[in-house]
Amino acid sequence: GNSVTQMEGPVTLSEEAFLTINCTYTATGYPSLFWYVQYPGEGLQLLLKATKADDKGSNKGFEATYRKETTSFHLEKGSVQVSDSAVYFCALSDRSTGFQKLVFGTGTRLLVSP
Amino acid sequence: DADVTQTPRNRITKTGKRIMLECSQTKGHDRMYWYRQDPGLGLRLIYYSFDVKDINKGEISDGYSVSRQAQAKFSLSLESAIPNQTALYFCATSDSSGGQYRQETQYFGPGTRLLVL
Repeated sequence: GNSVTQMEGPVTLSEEAFLTINCTYTATGYPSLFWYVQYPGEGLQLLLKATKADDKGSNKGFEATYRKETTSFHLEKGSVQVSDSAVYFCALSDRSTGFQKLVFGTGTRLLVSP
Repeated sequence: DADVTQTPRNRITKTGKRIMLECSQTKGHDRMYWYRQDPGLGLRLIYYSFDVKDINKGEISDGYSVSRQAQAKFSLSLESAIPNQTALYFCATSDSSGGQYRQETQYFGPGTRLLVL
């Protein structure tokens, strides 16, 4: 079945450091890929998405590229801020189901210190 | 005002009790979902509903039931709560009006933290 694997956290960085959170997937068909962010005490928010191979999703300085050859969708940001501290979830959606059935990774907690 | 609301936000109950978690949305979306989140396991789909008369089981529906009272309301019930149902529960909505293969965005509520003693 479909699955998503994320790097374990927490990831601890100083402000202005470069961020990479790895995500790889296993899927049949042609999935769309997503990154969701969960700030403390809140629900999940869509951060960015990519719907086909080689697409790059970007938002709020974060970006991720859909790499079909390596089945990856790594999240990057050039300079993190304290306000980026949150849990980040990678997810996929298999379009063959006819609706957005999301399969989530386990989440990676990011802690950014001043 | 939040577009997707969940009540209660926190709940403590005892084993064997029946409880209901409620979700309401003002986004006008037709599709609604219930997930649970457990540490180290990410989110897993419990039930989903395409409209008021179309309700489907997700990957972990055992021990749960749902009711779609109106397009805007989707409730999750635990008929007889057990401790391993202690988790964070999220409701989500999406809009299918763009067509079958349109990549919808799911919008999540703030979650209900449930503790079963």
